[in-house]
Amino acid sequence: DAEITQSPRHKITETGRQVTLACHQTWNHNNMFWYRQDLGHGLRLIHYSYGVQDTNKGEVSDGYSVSRSNTEDLPLTLESAASSQTSVYFCASSRDGPYGYTFGSGTRLTVV
Amino acid sequence: TQLLEQSPQFLSIQEGENLTVYCNSSSVFSSLQWYRQEPGEGPVLLVTVVTGGEVKKLKRLTFQFGDARKDSSLHITAAQPGDTGLYLCAGPTGYALNFGKGTSLLVTP
Repeated sequence: DAEITQSPRHKITETGRQVTLACHQTWNHNNMFWYRQDLGHGLRLIHYSYGVQDTNKGEVSDGYSVSRSNTEDLPLTLESAASSQTSVYFCASSRDGPYGYTFGSGTRLTVV
Repeated sequence: TQLLEQSPQFLSIQEGENLTVYCNSSSVFSSLQWYRQEPGEGPVLLVTVVTGGEVKKLKRLTFQFGDARKDSSLHITAAQPGDTGLYLCAGPTGYALNFGKGTSLLVTP
């Protein structure tokens, strides 16, 4: 069965370290997205990609980067982790058109 | 960013009651989606509404898209404990979705 997987599920890192969160989908979806979810703010878009070599900034992109070298993967990198980046991160994918997202199970990141 | 306002923010009801949650915006959307999220998991798509005035039913859940395509509602009939979760509405900008902050529903036996 097709799926979208995120790893790790939980991570604790120190302030200033570079961190990469993985997202892998086997749906063959063109579109992939990264969101963070925080109490009081809901889901906020960080970065998204409409295909290989395409990346776009979302609402809260500062301090984050992504790259899309193939259809299946969109890793999210925190360049220099900050305590404000403690959050739950969700990856999602979709096909072109008014179709819903398929979400991963999330990564809970704590920056200490 | 097109804002989506959801109400109420929290709702606690007993099993068997009916409820309605709302999703409102000042912007027109080409479509709206509803998701349910359970603790520790990602949101799961419930429905997409595309046409103004459209009504879709999913068992005990009824979704309506406003005529002007600026708002939507979700009505649950005879709520069950399994309906507990965070209900999110979302509208697109391109293929990227803007999410409301959600309605947190608790259904107690």
